[in-house]
Amino acid sequence: DIQMTQSPSSLSASVGDRVTITCRASQGSGNNLVWFQQKPGKAPKSLIYAASNLQSGVSLRFRGSASGTDFTLTINSLQPEDVATYYCLQYNAYPLTFGGGTRVEI
Amino acid sequence: EVQLVESGGGLVQPGGCLRLSCGASGFTFSDHYMDWVRQAPGKGLEWVGRIRTKGYSYSTEYAASVRGRFTISRDDSKSSLYLQMNSLNTEDTAVYYCSRVGGDSSGFYPFYWGQGTLVTVSS
Repeated sequence: DIQMTQSPSSLSASVGDRVTITCRASQGSGNNLVWFQQKPGKAPKSLIYAASNLQSGVSLRFRGSASGTDFTLTINSLQPEDVATYYCLQYNAYPLTFGGGTRVEI
Repeated sequence: EVQLVESGGGLVQPGGCLRLSCGASGFTFSDHYMDWVRQAPGKGLEWVGRIRTKGYSYSTEYAASVRGRFTISRDDSKSSLYLQMNSLNTEDTAVYYCSRVGGDSSGFYPFYWGQGTLVTVSS
């Protein structure tokens, strides 16, 4: 199975800061990686797919990138509405596997 | 508008069984792979499994933690997805989400999600 190691597990930043979240795959997963945002009591929402493609309707402040087995979600100019838990998911191989999540606070 | 509505959650004793349902609307259900994803209280997300379409013989994939105990099925005539859960244990306590898959030929991932249904395994 492909293990996804996500870091940090939590972070606190100020409004307007740039925030970076990383997922490292235990083996090659191509670019088949999606980033989700989950707010309390809600279902996850996809932000980025194929590692770097922004989902329709998602703020341009969110950016995804990849380098080998390392994947990064960057939130530019953090806003109060960005408070949530973020998860990566690799869908290159079965079983699909999630990272452990990053709780973002302000 | 795509809608997914899970039902069937509740309290069940260890060793028991439960069947979850997911009603779909707003899209051609038979054209899409479907996933189940779960989330234990206060924990992260865990992919449970997938069922493909008729063209792929309704084949399935499962996480190791549920393989042999859980069975995913679908009824395209009713636009419904099911999760039969047997031999439940306390570690299966979670909110279970039904998801319609999105993506392209390079890969598919959960895209549209229901609101989830809570399964509690406890004596």
